[in-house]
Amino acid sequence: NAGVMQNPRHLVRRRGQEARLRCSPMKGHSHVYWYRQLPEEGLKFMVYLQKENIIDESGMPKERFSAEFPKEGPSILRIQQVVRGDSAAYFCASSPTRSPYGYTFGSGTRLTVV
Amino acid sequence: QQQVKQSPQSLIVQKGGISIINCAYENTAFDYFPWYQQFPGKGPALLIAIRPDVSEKKEGRFTISFNKSAKQFSLHIMDSQPGDSATYFCAALGGGSEKLVFGKGTKLTVNP
Repeated sequence: NAGVMQNPRHLVRRRGQEARLRCSPMKGHSHVYWYRQLPEEGLKFMVYLQKENIIDESGMPKERFSAEFPKEGPSILRIQQVVRGDSAAYFCASSPTRSPYGYTFGSGTRLTVV
Repeated sequence: QQQVKQSPQSLIVQKGGISIINCAYENTAFDYFPWYQQFPGKGPALLIAIRPDVSEKKEGRFTISFNKSAKQFSLHIMDSQPGDSATYFCAALGGGSEKLVFGKGTKLTVNP
């Protein structure tokens, strides 16, 4: 029973490039949450998605960031024209229902912008 | 605006000692308070959680104490072991929101 799978584990991008982070939820989970962890900080909510729907994107920066969770395939967090301040660990979590109680996190993608 | 304040930032204890991490929250709508354990290079893993209708919850060596009137909760790790060395995050959830609000974390080091 695979857990939440995120790839790549590490991603290096030059300033101005695009970063695409993937999250495959646990089997049977249709609710996905993305969080960002800056160095020496706790995790901060970015976006909550269900299949084909963005439910809450109140934590997403207004520009350059987007997320999707298509009917088939993983959830994608996309960062356009990356800047150094985007360097962080990005975690996704999944749950079987809307309720996030006890949801499971993946191991994260560490993005480094050079 | 930090809704969950966690202290201390770092903690060093000797093997066999008690580790205590404290958190305070502001939003009285929170109704679920989990603690997560994170090892380097890994995602946070749920350790133990409590709801405000109880004052204490114990699972093995891990205990959450909850003080609703003070809006504070704490994690106690009894008989701390080197394998407990990790970063611990408190979090809170509630008010109909699906967003976990995290503290900034405590880096625990247990010396042999």
